[in-house]
Amino acid sequence: AQSVAQPEDQVNVAEGNPLTVKCTYSVSGNPYLFWYVQYPNRGLQFLLKYITGDNLVKGSYGFEAEFNKSQTSFHLKKPSALVSDSALYFCAVREGSNYQLIWGAGTKLIIKP
Amino acid sequence: GAGVSQSPSNKVTEKGKDVELRCDPISGHTALYWYRQRLGQGLEFLIYFQGNSAPDKSGLPSDRFSAERTGESVSTLTIQRTQQEDSAVYLCASSSRTREIYEQFFGPGTRLTVL
Repeated sequence: AQSVAQPEDQVNVAEGNPLTVKCTYSVSGNPYLFWYVQYPNRGLQFLLKYITGDNLVKGSYGFEAEFNKSQTSFHLKKPSALVSDSALYFCAVREGSNYQLIWGAGTKLIIKP
Repeated sequence: GAGVSQSPSNKVTEKGKDVELRCDPISGHTALYWYRQRLGQGLEFLIYFQGNSAPDKSGLPSDRFSAERTGESVSTLTIQRTQQEDSAVYLCASSSRTREIYEQFFGPGTRLTVL
């Protein structure tokens, strides 16, 4: 069965420090991986996706994610965190041509000044 | 409009009443999804439309929930005899069948409060 795990409910990072939000997945076929962000009282916004090609994917707001097939991971990273990055982050996976996205439970990212 | 829109943005209702939530997807997007998000939690899949048909209704929590889509455009999610446990944000998303794998574009959601 397809699944996505975000092992951390919350991640706390000081402003200016690098951040990592973890995501691991389980699918039987080729995975298509997504990160979305949800700011308070706002809808979900697409950040980035991995379909094929380079394992390092760059997205919006300076975020990037690294696809690691052997570890079945797709961790979200940013070299220098901003207070405005504080939000809820969701990882999602689609298997092949399957229409449905399987969502992680979300990780709350808190950036402290 | 350019994005997915949902109405109303907020709905407060009394237990036992019926509510109807509306979603206007991005023009030309054939796929439409409904999700439920309870406070502080992740997304719970409800139903998926491809065109006007719903090949997957497996996420609908009970027979009080139903959804329809007409003209490959607007969709409505109806909750009958609302219960307090139905209180949540209901999110709609749409996507397009393109050569690349299709990402979902989300609306701002409808916050439903059942008193």
